[in-house]
Amino acid sequence: QKEVEQDPGPLSVPEGAIVSLNCTYSNSAFQYFMWYRQYSRKGPELLMYTYSSGNKEDGRFTAQVDKSSKYISLFIRDSQPSDSATYLCAMSALAGAGTRGSYIPTFGRGTSLIVHP
Amino acid sequence: DTAVSQTPKYLVTQMGNDKSIKCEQNLGHDTMYWYKQDSKKFLKIMFSYNNKELIINETVPNRFSPKSPDKAHLNLHINSLELGDSAVYFCASSQDEFRLKMWDGYTFGSGTRLTVV
Repeated sequence: QKEVEQDPGPLSVPEGAIVSLNCTYSNSAFQYFMWYRQYSRKGPELLMYTYSSGNKEDGRFTAQVDKSSKYISLFIRDSQPSDSATYLCAMSALAGAGTRGSYIPTFGRGTSLIVHP
Repeated sequence: DTAVSQTPKYLVTQMGNDKSIKCEQNLGHDTMYWYKQDSKKFLKIMFSYNNKELIINETVPNRFSPKSPDKAHLNLHINSLELGDSAVYFCASSQDEFRLKMWDGYTFGSGTRLTVV
């Protein structure tokens, strides 16, 4: 079992739909949870991040973390064709010791989202 | 202005050749990374440099050698290329690796698509 599981899709929805993207994970030490968006032939760009459990909202995007279930979600309201991309979840735990510790994230494989007009 | 730029964007080469990929960031970040994204879209860290010093060296063949002439540049040299090296290689940068401000996240380049034939 991989540390981070994410359904690759593709997920195809009509414009205006509410989209739910999810990841599960196995490492209970993960503390930071991120969502990246990757357009075709481009590098990932950070959409949102959350620390520990809870919700975070930014415009049409809402990120949820349920640490008890080891489950995170990204909701997109009023989806647009421009939202069509691959969405990667990523999560981090403190790695290393002392001052040289770092939060190198582990990425899911990404879910391909297609929003059609 | 491109924040993290990689060259070349595409690289097609024969098995056994040696090739380099260059990366430059103009964000003033302290830390730079090389990631590999395979055909299944998994993003895996290869190397991390902080102020020209190698911080993370994941389990990659020693045919891969990063070089950082200054903190704004991180190049990747690959010797004796193999078919399995075909992937997209992403350079990324972030601020302050040791106390990683997760709200900054990573800034990724657009990737170098390497095809070994």
